[in-house]
Amino acid sequence: GAVVSQHPSRVICKSGTSVKIECRSLDFQATTMFWYRQFPKQSLMLMATSNEGSKATYEQGVEKDKFLINHASLTLSTLTVTSAHPEDSSFYICSARDSRGEHTQYFGPGTRLTVL
Amino acid sequence: GQQLNQSPQSMFIQEGEDVSMNCTSSSIFNTWLWYKQEPGEGPVLLIALYKAGELTSNGRLTAQFGITRKDSFLNISASIPSDVGIYFCAGQSSPYSGNTPLVFGKGTRLSVIA
Repeated sequence: GAVVSQHPSRVICKSGTSVKIECRSLDFQATTMFWYRQFPKQSLMLMATSNEGSKATYEQGVEKDKFLINHASLTLSTLTVTSAHPEDSSFYICSARDSRGEHTQYFGPGTRLTVL
Repeated sequence: GQQLNQSPQSMFIQEGEDVSMNCTSSSIFNTWLWYKQEPGEGPVLLIALYKAGELTSNGRLTAQFGITRKDSFLNISASIPSDVGIYFCAGQSSPYSGNTPLVFGKGTRLSVIA
């Protein structure tokens, strides 16, 4: 199946710093990528939809200035958590929608963010 | 907004037993997807369904897209310990609109007792 990578897989940072997470579709092009946040034992919560070459669309309650999204190419989207605080600690997962065929959505392996 | 009702929330079964879980919606979806997530990992696509009534298998897994387009089920036959994980259903209302996000069920947590 299609492969989506995320980097880093884990990150620990101090409060107040910014963290960038990369999401790449390795063997297909994705005009649309999605960013999710997942708390323990819960389902995925959509944060934003990232569109190549245009501004991201954020879900209600998600601060666009805090969670900066850039989708600079058909294979790369980045999420930057700015001025991170402990409450931002979570599991962040991206997904990429294959631009071909049925537009199936594939997920990355996730990034565990811990803010001290 | 759209919601999916996924059941059961959790299951404890003996190795070798068959498993069935389902998702229902009050609105129509054009695509149904089933994912499995293991601890600390992202969801992995198991089966994708694109047509109402479609029945698709992937090894010991079988999933069907309901005729009404408002439901789907996933069956796992002869369960094994590595089937442990959380299974999510997801629906998409517009198959060819790249911006339409998936709607997820809350997941079914499967535990297999050897």
